[in-house]
Amino acid sequence: DVVMTQSPDSLAVSLGDRATINCKSSQSVLHNGNNMNYLAWFQQKPGQPPKLLIYWATIRESGVPDRFSGSGSGTDFTLTINRLQAEDVAVYYCQQYWSDPPLTFGGGTKVEIK
Amino acid sequence: QVHLKQWGAGLLKPSETLSLTCAVYGGSFSGDYWSWVRQPPGKGLEWIGEINDSRGSFYNPSLARRVTISVDTSKNQFSLKLTSVTAADMAFYYCATGGTAARLQNWGQGTLVTVSS
Repeated sequence: DVVMTQSPDSLAVSLGDRATINCKSSQSVLHNGNNMNYLAWFQQKPGQPPKLLIYWATIRESGVPDRFSGSGSGTDFTLTINRLQAEDVAVYYCQQYWSDPPLTFGGGTKVEIK
Repeated sequence: QVHLKQWGAGLLKPSETLSLTCAVYGGSFSGDYWSWVRQPPGKGLEWIGEINDSRGSFYNPSLARRVTISVDTSKNQFSLKLTSVTAADMAFYYCATGGTAARLQNWGQGTLVTVSS
């Protein structure tokens, strides 16, 4: 299985500041044939299902604000939330879909307001 | 716009079979991946398995002996069966669909399954 490790487990950020979440995979999720990273990011608010934010590591899902951005390649990835807003309080998960079964998730990062 | 609605029994006894169904409204049902994911309360996400009309079905090895995912394309529905449940299977269960680019693009509302004698 591809193990996904997120850091930090939680972080507190002031409104308007930047939040940075890291995700590392135990093996590369870059497909050499199409040069795509099979990596997605999800946001989950309390009492709700996860919501897809980013796929192919850098592509924002339709309707996702542009303050959310994904970067990285191979084994190291980052989700950046610029100009943090109160509605961004949530748990964020990375997920690889390069090697399946199984698809695997990171352990989650909880973002709170400082 | 794709909308998923799921249903099934939320309270089971140990050794019973969990059975959930997910209906997909809108979008193109054919060619997609239809998946199930679970989440114990307060914990992280675990992929259970998926089915795709060209690739077939794939399961998490940790659950493969007990899981069956099936699809009824005539009804735009897919289902999950998990046999011999125990307290360790207590979780929110979510259905999800997507394409190759984003396998878990659309999610159902979730069903809390409790296992208690």
